[in-house]
Formats: sequence, structure tokens, C-alpha cells
Amino acid sequence: EAQVTQNPRYLITVTGKKLTVTCSQNMNHEYMSWYRQDPGLGLRQIYYSMNVEVTDKGDVPEGYKVSRKEKRNFPLILESPSPNQTSLYFCATKPGLATNEQFFGPGTRLTVL
Amino acid sequence: DQQVKQNSPSLSVQEGRISILNCDYTNSMFDYFLWYKKYPAEGPTFLISISSIKDKNEDGRFTVFLNKSAKHLSLHIVPSQPGDSAVYFCAAETQAGTALIFGKGTTLSVSS
Repeated sequence: EAQVTQNPRYLITVTGKKLTVTCSQNMNHEYMSWYRQDPGLGLRQIYYSMNVEVTDKGDVPEGYKVSRKEKRNFPLILESPSPNQTSLYFCATKPGLATNEQFFGPGTRLTVL
Repeated sequence: DQQVKQNSPSLSVQEGRISILNCDYTNSMFDYFLWYKKYPAEGPTFLISISSIKDKNEDGRFTVFLNKSAKHLSLHIVPSQPGDSAVYFCAAETQAGTALIFGKGTTLSVSS
């Protein structure tokens, strides 16, 4: 079954404690991306990757890092989380830039105290 | 400034009637638009899309209309069903294909 998985699904942490949210896809897609959803703001792109070792900033990259060492995985790293990073995070994938539809993971709800 | 706008935060419709969700955009360079549906505790799921070279795309009960001159698109659901109750996001794809720009969403409630 084609799927995008995220772990953890829920996380409560404290300011400054490094954390990683994992994203994995089994569809051999080249493109992967991270979005955050905040009340009243819709979804906004954090980072994206067009292939292994190719990443670039989206609209709201401050405070986040990503890596793409393998095609299937695209972890989101918060080196020093702050309360303004409390949000709902979604990983998304698509086969490549020539396709339009992105497939979204189930989401990770992060609370930073 | 918001490039994709959904000005109605919510919409209530009776089962069997038509639901019309609206979306406006400001960037005339967008050439592909998508609608996503989101249930609580799930990720957005793709519903229907339209290229800017078309003015209508239909898939079963769902039809999307695009008016390029007005920079406006709408999603029609006919007939509406209680299972359609969800948040609907309008999105525009950037020209490079590297990002989706989302509206804030419209919560649709279909009552039986």
C-alpha cells in the first residue's frame, strides 16, 4: 500500500530540546516537502527536496533543518525548538516536479512548552 | 500578502443540496490549482484539480470551475452528503512546481 508515514504523531516537548520528526514514503517519489498548519493560516511550506542531497527553503524555514540522505526519508529537525514552533506538521511527496498532486502524511502535532 | 484566499471560513448545507466553495488568487502566474479535503486527525487528501488552460473539470459529484479573468475558482459538490463534512483547502501550485500555496480553508458541514 502506497503511504507516507510520520513519527511521532504527537509530541510535547520543552524549549531548547532538540527533536526530529521523521517522514518516510514507499512510493519511490523524488520530491518531498514539509508544511506546517496553524490556525487561521492554512498550510505553509517549510522546506522541500527535489531528490537525494537536494534541499531548498520554503516560505517559513527559520528554526528548521532537513536532510535527504535516502530517497524514502526526509526528516525535519528542530535543533532548539521554541513555543512559536507549536504547530501541526505535514510531510508531502510527489513523483517529481512534472506532477502536480502531492500526497500528504497523517500529520504530527507538536507542542513546545 | 495572501496569494490564495478562501474568504468563507465555514459553510453549512443540507444533504442533497449543492455545496459551493470559493477561492480567489492574486498571482496570475499560477497555472495549476488543486482542492484538498481534510478530516480531523488526518492529512489533506487530494480531491480534484484544474489547469489554467481549462475552465472546468469534473469528477463524479465534484466540479471545479476556473475564471482566469476574475482570478477565481470554485468547487461544486452535487449532491452533498454528510460524509463530505470536512475542511476544504484551495491550493495553487508555483510555476516551478516546488510548492503548493494554500488558502486558509473552508469548513463544510453537511446535515442530514
